[in-house]
Amino acid sequence: DIQMTQSPSSLSASVGDRVTITCRASQTIDTYLNWYQQTPGKAPKLLIYSSSISQSGVPPRFSGSGSGTHFTLTITSVQPEDFATYYCQQSSRPPLTFGQGTRVEIK
Amino acid sequence: QVQLHQSGRGLVRPSQTLSLSCDISGDSVSSNTAAWNWIRQSPSRGLEWLGRTYFRSKWQSDYADFLKTRVSINADTSKNQFSLQLKSVTPEDTAIYFCARDSPFVDPTDFVVEFAFFDYWGPGTLVTVSS
Repeated sequence: DIQMTQSPSSLSASVGDRVTITCRASQTIDTYLNWYQQTPGKAPKLLIYSSSISQSGVPPRFSGSGSGTHFTLTITSVQPEDFATYYCQQSSRPPLTFGQGTRVEIK
Repeated sequence: QVQLHQSGRGLVRPSQTLSLSCDISGDSVSSNTAAWNWIRQSPSRGLEWLGRTYFRSKWQSDYADFLKTRVSINADTSKNQFSLQLKSVTPEDTAIYFCARDSPFVDPTDFVVEFAFFDYWGPGTLVTVSS
């Protein structure tokens, strides 16, 4: 199975800060990497697919990059509604696996 | 607009079978581009993909290895829904269970990438395994 490791597991940020979250795969996955945002009590929401393509309706402050085993999600100017938990997920091959999550909290 | 609506019991006794259904609106369970997944989430294990079913000339299913002997995901075309059955549950199976659609996309080289991402999710069902 492909293991997905996110860092950090949590971070504190102020509104307007730039936030970067890292995801590493235990094997190369090309660009088969997705990012999701989850708020309490809700299902995850797709933000980015294929490493860098934004899902329709996602604000442009969210961007993704990377290939192979190293990926990043960046929020250029974090807004109050962005305080949530973020997950990466590989879609290279089954079993599909997720990172453990990064919780973004208000400083 | 695709919507997924989940139903099923929230309390299951140990050793019994967990059964959940996911009703689809705005798409077809028989779609030859989508796949229909079950994913669960618990504080101790995080998000875990359980498996999927999909139709590509015939019905196919893929399952997570750690559940393969206990899990079954099936489609019901007459109800436009798919279901999860997990046998011989233990308290370790306590989790929020989500159904989700898996969709393809066309990359810049015009290659169709199947099973690319989960774009629609059900609201989740908390299932507790307890006597």
